[in-house]
Amino acid sequence: QVQLQESGPGLVKPSQTLSLTCTVSGDSISSGGYYWTWIRQPAGKGLEWIGHIYTSGSTSYNPSLKSRVTISVDTSKNQFSLKLSSVTAPDTAVYYCARENWGYGHYFDYWGQGTLVTVSS
Amino acid sequence: QSVLTQPPSVSAAPGQKVTISCSRSSSNIGNNYVSWYQQQLPGTAPKLLIYENNKRPSGIPDRFSGSKSGTSATLGITGLQTGDEADYYCGTWDSSLSAVVFGGGTKLTVL
Repeated sequence: QVQLQESGPGLVKPSQTLSLTCTVSGDSISSGGYYWTWIRQPAGKGLEWIGHIYTSGSTSYNPSLKSRVTISVDTSKNQFSLKLSSVTAPDTAVYYCARENWGYGHYFDYWGQGTLVTVSS
Repeated sequence: QSVLTQPPSVSAAPGQKVTISCSRSSSNIGNNYVSWYQQQLPGTAPKLLIYENNKRPSGIPDRFSGSKSGTSATLGITGLQTGDEADYYCGTWDSSLSAVVFGGGTKLTVL
C-alpha cells in the first residue's frame, strides 16, 4: 500500500519561505513511472496544482506560482520537498502531496493526509 | 476563477441519479483525459473516483461513471446514498499551460 506523509511547519511568517517534505512508503520514487506532486487547497476553495517532479529531477510548475516554487527530490530518503518563497496570507492552505500518474492522462491515485500551513505574523 | 467549469452545487434524492459536468477549452479537456475526485470533508484528502475519462480504480463501485464528449466531461452517480454527499472535482492536463488544472468543485447534497 502506497502511503504519503507531509511534514513541516504549520506556521510561516509573511515574506518567508514555506518548506514541506513528503515521505513516501510502499513505493520507490527512484523506480520511475510516476510524477510526485504538490497540490494545495485554501479554506473553502478548490484544488490548485502546484507542480511535480520526476525521479530524474525534472520539474514542472504551475505558471501562476512558478517564480516562487522549487520542488526537489531525495531518492535516498524516498522523499520530495516543496519550497514556496515570499509567502503571503493567500498562501495559507492545506498542502497535499500526491502520486501523479501520467500515462494517458494526469491523475492522482495516492494522496497524503494534508497539512495546514498558515501564513501569519 | 478555475480553468475548468463545474456547477457549484447539485442535489438529488436518495436512490436517484445525478450528473456533474466539467467543461473548458480544447487546450485541456478536448485533447486530454479527465479524472474525477471525491472530497468528503474540506481539508481531507480527495479520493480518485474516475481516471482516463471513464475508468474506475479498484474499490470504486460501478455506481460512479465517467464520460467525455468534445470539450466536456461528465461524472454520473446512480443509486445515490447519503454517504455520497461530498465535493467533487474534475481535473485534466492543460497542454497550453503545461500544468494540471482542476474545476472549482461541485457540492453534492443528497436530500
